[in-house]
Amino acid sequence: SAVISQKPSRDICQRGTSLTIQCQVDSQVTMMFWYRQQPGQSLTLIATANQGSEATYESGFVIDKFPISRPNLTFSTLTVSNMSPEDSSIYLCSVERQGYGYTFGSGTRLTVV
Amino acid sequence: GESVGLHLPTLSVQEGDNSIINCAYSNSASDYFIWYKQESGKGPQFIIDIRSNMDKRQGQRVTVLLNKTVKHLSLQIAATQPGDSAVYFCAENANAGGTSYGKLTFGQGTILTVHP
Repeated sequence: SAVISQKPSRDICQRGTSLTIQCQVDSQVTMMFWYRQQPGQSLTLIATANQGSEATYESGFVIDKFPISRPNLTFSTLTVSNMSPEDSSIYLCSVERQGYGYTFGSGTRLTVV
Repeated sequence: GESVGLHLPTLSVQEGDNSIINCAYSNSASDYFIWYKQESGKGPQFIIDIRSNMDKRQGQRVTVLLNKTVKHLSLQIAATQPGDSAVYFCAENANAGGTSYGKLTFGQGTILTVHP
């Protein structure tokens, strides 16, 4: 399966600021996915990121709040903008490789104070 | 929208017992299902998957059963060990026919605690 590196692993941020999370994959993948996992809850898909096109956002998530970049087939970033305490969550990057299934990064634990 | 849910949010077992974790799904178009294990401070880790053309699949100490009639999925862990303590999630995908890519919808999660 693919190896995914996420940075930072955790951060504590002031409300009103923005944080960019990086996701690096050790092999080329077509689609990358960004999930949010709120405290004690399951994973919710934020958006799907294709290289060379705009990300596709799920209901309840908008590009102004969660801008995503996908400059090449091994890298993506998710920015959490104008943060509030409600954004405190684990943010996870995931990739799908045909024949290998879905792999997740270890996540970025964000606390907004 | 469509959702995947779990019957039991917590499960406590003794070491050596067999564990069964259940999941109900509502999207009849789902054709690919995955079980993940998530340990504290880590991302979800793949355990086992099954496609809708199967009703049972076995791995090492784990078995997944799929009942499409009642839209039910279960994960059986044999001889449960303390290292199996984690949160277990089921996930479904409705785009896995041919070229398999697409989003996953996750269930609620079950906390499994294994007592020595």
